[in-house]
Amino acid sequence: QGQLVESGGGVVQPGRSLRLSCAATGFTLSSYAMHWVRQAPGRGLEWVAVTSYDGGHNYYADSVKGRFTISRDNSKSTLYLQMGSLIAEDTAVYYCARGDCSSTSCRRFDYWGQGTLVTVSS
Amino acid sequence: DIQMTQSPSSLSASVGDRVTITCRASQSISNNLNWYQQRPGNAPNLLIYTAFSLQSGVPSRFSGSGSGTDFTLTISSLQPEDFATYYCQQSYSTPPTFGQGTKVEIK
Repeated sequence: QGQLVESGGGVVQPGRSLRLSCAATGFTLSSYAMHWVRQAPGRGLEWVAVTSYDGGHNYYADSVKGRFTISRDNSKSTLYLQMGSLIAEDTAVYYCARGDCSSTSCRRFDYWGQGTLVTVSS
Repeated sequence: DIQMTQSPSSLSASVGDRVTITCRASQSISNNLNWYQQRPGNAPNLLIYTAFSLQSGVPSRFSGSGSGTDFTLTISSLQPEDFATYYCQQSYSTPPTFGQGTKVEIK
């Protein structure tokens, strides 16, 4: 049974940076595409980014393109989201989620972490 | 981007009721439609994939149907643990997009 555990959330000032991590256990991370999905307080789900099984292909939502970078270290079974130039609208719970296969076209999310809260505020 | 529209946004129902939630895509997505359940304070959980396939471990009272642009999630007999918010999501193209959610509340 796969498990994902996010960390790295917290309160950060506008314009600053933050890096989220997602540790994977119970499955071979290097076999799957991985995604970040976020949820603003009281709002719905918004897809943020995806990385292919080897990190060779990445795609982003327009709302974060140029500010966020998704990456992975399969040797550490860990996914990352480097967030920069943060704005208030980035305030959300950030979930990592496993894609159902290895490429970036694997857009079904079959395992989710518990989420980590990022609050952008001065 | 493909827009997903769910209806209703919320509903009130009693234990044992049959509940139906609909989801419409702004263009054809074939059967690339998934449903998730999110209980308060928890992460979403995959219920149905490719429009009608039941994810392992999900009770058989959940079912999905549809193709093209119109889809339905049905709960045949609502149980206390089913009170939650339900989201549809298209996996046809990037960016994957979600409906706005349907909150199922206790009547």
